[in-house]
Amino acid sequence: NAGVMQNPRHLVRRRGQEARLRCSPMKGHSHVYWYRQLPEEGLKFMVYLQKENIIDESGMPKERFSAEFPKEGPSILRIQQVVRGDSAAYFCASSPLTASYEQYFGPGTRLTVT
Amino acid sequence: RKEVEQDPGPFNVPEGATVAFNCTYSNSASQSFFWYRQDCRKEPKLLMSVYSSGNEDGRFTAQLNRASQYISLLIRDSKLSDSATYLCVVKKSQGNLIFGKGTKLSVKP
Repeated sequence: NAGVMQNPRHLVRRRGQEARLRCSPMKGHSHVYWYRQLPEEGLKFMVYLQKENIIDESGMPKERFSAEFPKEGPSILRIQQVVRGDSAAYFCASSPLTASYEQYFGPGTRLTVT
Repeated sequence: RKEVEQDPGPFNVPEGATVAFNCTYSNSASQSFFWYRQDCRKEPKLLMSVYSSGNEDGRFTAQLNRASQYISLLIRDSKLSDSATYLCVVKKSQGNLIFGKGTKLSVKP
């Protein structure tokens, strides 16, 4: 059973470009969470999605950031017009259900904005 | 006040030592608690869940004190491979996790 997969593992973007980060949850998992870890900081929750639904986006910046989890295919975290402050590790986690189940993390995407 | 607070360390200990980490959380309604381990530039990995009755997994013992809103992790007989950052984590009712900034442990030969 493959774990949570994220790609790309490393992404370099110039300021003003768009970044698209992909997350494929573990087989059988329909809940996806995105977290961001800034350099020397702890992980911060961004958004929680189920298939075709955003459940909680309270941690997502109001502008430039969006997320989706379509019926088919991976979850996508999209950052428009990236700035240097977006440079971070973005981790995706998945779980089969919410309250009682553990979250399993993917290896992360390291975004560098130059 | 931060939702989850930890001493950042670093804790530098010799092999074989016993080391304890502490963590406090601010939301008394929190229900689920965990310790994760994160190696440098890697994803967090679940170490163990934490229960009020206390739980043990080999050399690791976790304890929760709901009255004091305090969580602890004890590592006995430290190994070089235990060197990592240990993250105290609280799960919110919606399901998302709140992470402490982590406590760095370095085990020396």
